[in-house]
Amino acid sequence: AQSVTQLDSHVSVSEGTPVLLRCNYSSSYSPSLFWYVQHPNKGLQLLLKYTSAATLVKGINGFEAEFKKSETSFHLTKPSAHMSDAAEYFCVVRAQEGGSQGNLIFGKGTKLSVKP
Amino acid sequence: EAQVTQNPRYLITVTGKKLTVTCSQNMNHEYMSWYRQDPGLGLRQIYYSMNVEVTDKGDVPEGYKVSRKEKRNFPLILESPSPNQTSLYFCASNPGRSYNSPLHFGNGTRLTVT
Repeated sequence: AQSVTQLDSHVSVSEGTPVLLRCNYSSSYSPSLFWYVQHPNKGLQLLLKYTSAATLVKGINGFEAEFKKSETSFHLTKPSAHMSDAAEYFCVVRAQEGGSQGNLIFGKGTKLSVKP
Repeated sequence: EAQVTQNPRYLITVTGKKLTVTCSQNMNHEYMSWYRQDPGLGLRQIYYSMNVEVTDKGDVPEGYKVSRKEKRNFPLILESPSPNQTSLYFCASNPGRSYNSPLHFGNGTRLTVT
């Protein structure tokens, strides 16, 4: 069965310092992995996705994530936080079951706060 | 502009009074889905639809109904709302042809049932 665990419910960083949001997954299949961001009073927006191509994935707004199969991890990073990065972030796994949509499994979310 | 539109954005109702939350997408997407978001629980899927007239239960379907009579619309119906359905609801869609396609989300509907 597929599952996804976001290891921190809340992360606080200072503006200009690195961001690390941790995500571990469990999947019987070769997974597709996504990070979504949710700003207050908004829907979720795709940041980046991994679909079995390059293991280091670059997304929007300077974020990137590295797929590490041996560690079953897909951590999200950014070298330098900006105030506008304050939001909630969701790690999502989709099992690649041939030909079908498959179900999306959402992590419980990590709320990122950025201090001036 | 390509978008998923939900209405209303905010809704306060009383127990047992039937309500419908509408969802419409203008991208000709085949796949549509409803989620509820609750603090500490992330997003949980209520129902989804692979195409017109095809709907399936997600993880938390109890107390909800959906229909997919047209490709663009996927309304969520609460026949007899209860306080435990107070939540933030999101509709989402994607083309459906590839399971790697990202979801496009609406801006959410915050429902309060008293």
